Amino acid sequence: AQSVTQPDIHITVSEGASLELRCNYSYGATPYLFWYVQSPGQGLQLLLKYFSGDTLVQGIKGFEAEFKRSQSSFNLRKPSVHWSDAAEYFCAVQTGANNLFFGTGTRLTVIP
Amino acid sequence: DTAVSQTPKYLVTQMGNDKSIKCEQNLGHDTMYWYKQDSKKFLKIMFSYNNKELIINETVPNRFSPKSPDKAHLNLHINSLELGDSAVYFCASSPTSGGAFSYEQYFGPGTRLTVT
Repeated sequence: AQSVTQPDIHITVSEGASLELRCNYSYGATPYLFWYVQSPGQGLQLLLKYFSGDTLVQGIKGFEAEFKRSQSSFNLRKPSVHWSDAAEYFCAVQTGANNLFFGTGTRLTVIP
Repeated sequence: DTAVSQTPKYLVTQMGNDKSIKCEQNLGHDTMYWYKQDSKKFLKIMFSYNNKELIINETVPNRFSPKSPDKAHLNLHINSLELGDSAVYFCASSPTSGGAFSYEQYFGPGTRLTVT
């Protein structure tokens, strides 16, 4: 069965510092992986996706993620965090039925 | 030019009532979804419709019934509302369903349902 684990419930970083949000997945076939961001009171916005090919994928807002099959991970990174990045971040794996399974989310707080 | 819209944004109602949430997408997608986000922010798929046919029906109570009058709309009707139904409900759409290739889903802004 598929599952997604985001081990960090809440992360606090200083503005301008680097960021890494962890995501581990469990899925028997080739995973399609996504990172979504949810700002307070808003819907989900796609940051980036991995389907195949280059394991380092670039997304919007300066985010990138690296797929590591050997570690079953798809960690999200940003070199310099901005105050507007404060939000909830969700990692998700998509099955062949186009069904998205989400992790429990990581809440990012950015301090000045 | 909203891509995926939902109405209402907020819905407060009493236990036992019946309510509907509407969703519309103008992206020309042929698959639409309903997700439930609980108080702990956990998102779980409830239904998926492809070209007006149900293709996923996760283990949700049969008090929840999706209705798709056409492929641009997917409404969610809930009968006999219970306290545990309080959540944020998200509609989403994507351009295809199943097969070896996969497309990202576009989400609506959500409907916060509060049952008192």
